[in-house]
Amino acid sequence: GQNIDQPTEMTATEGAIVQINCTYQTSGFNGLFWYQQHAGEAPTFLSYNVLDGLEEKGRFSSFLSRSKGYSYLLLKELQMKDSASYLCAVENDKIIFGKGTRLHILP
Amino acid sequence: DGGITQSPKYLFRKEGQNVTLSCEQNLNHDAMYWYRQDPGQGLRLIYYSQIVNDFQKGDIAEGYSVSREKKESFPLTVTSAQKNPTAFYLCASSPLGTVAGVDGYTFGSGTRLTVV
Repeated sequence: GQNIDQPTEMTATEGAIVQINCTYQTSGFNGLFWYQQHAGEAPTFLSYNVLDGLEEKGRFSSFLSRSKGYSYLLLKELQMKDSASYLCAVENDKIIFGKGTRLHILP
Repeated sequence: DGGITQSPKYLFRKEGQNVTLSCEQNLNHDAMYWYRQDPGQGLRLIYYSQIVNDFQKGDIAEGYSVSREKKESFPLTVTSAQKNPTAFYLCASSPLGTVAGVDGYTFGSGTRLTVV
């Protein structure tokens, strides 16, 4: 079977750092995506990891360990506009999405 | 500008009726996908197509049908057999059939279907 797990909800404070974890068990692996989705809107691309290690892109970083089936998305200097759902997705012959983590930012 | 267009944005359907959701892309992408999203849930794959005149069932294809007569278009019909069709429907495309590439999918803006 194919399974992608991430926490349902998280809360953090404006200006702080938050780490959203994702574990996966899939048949085949080409890469792992993180998407951001605001309520009622389409997902927007954040990052794509193929090899193990950390990819940094501005305030957002994404980490992958293929041997552990594990990834995380790190958000720094949180802003109110970062309140959204964050979707972990694994690509084999198509992209399989996790249920998403709803992130609430408190002022 | 290239992109992917879904229409309509909001759609209301009476029980027992079929309804078709439109998805058009001018990105010259080979692959197109339909996902369904329920409140607080992730995206679940309904159907996908990697080439014209060919498509495959996803995880929740029952009660849905698609066609891919043109590369640019991948309409989704929600039939009366779909027991709980109220949801947010997202269409996506990618340039390659089996590997989405470094930028992942391009998504349309979605259609919110409500059964009344």
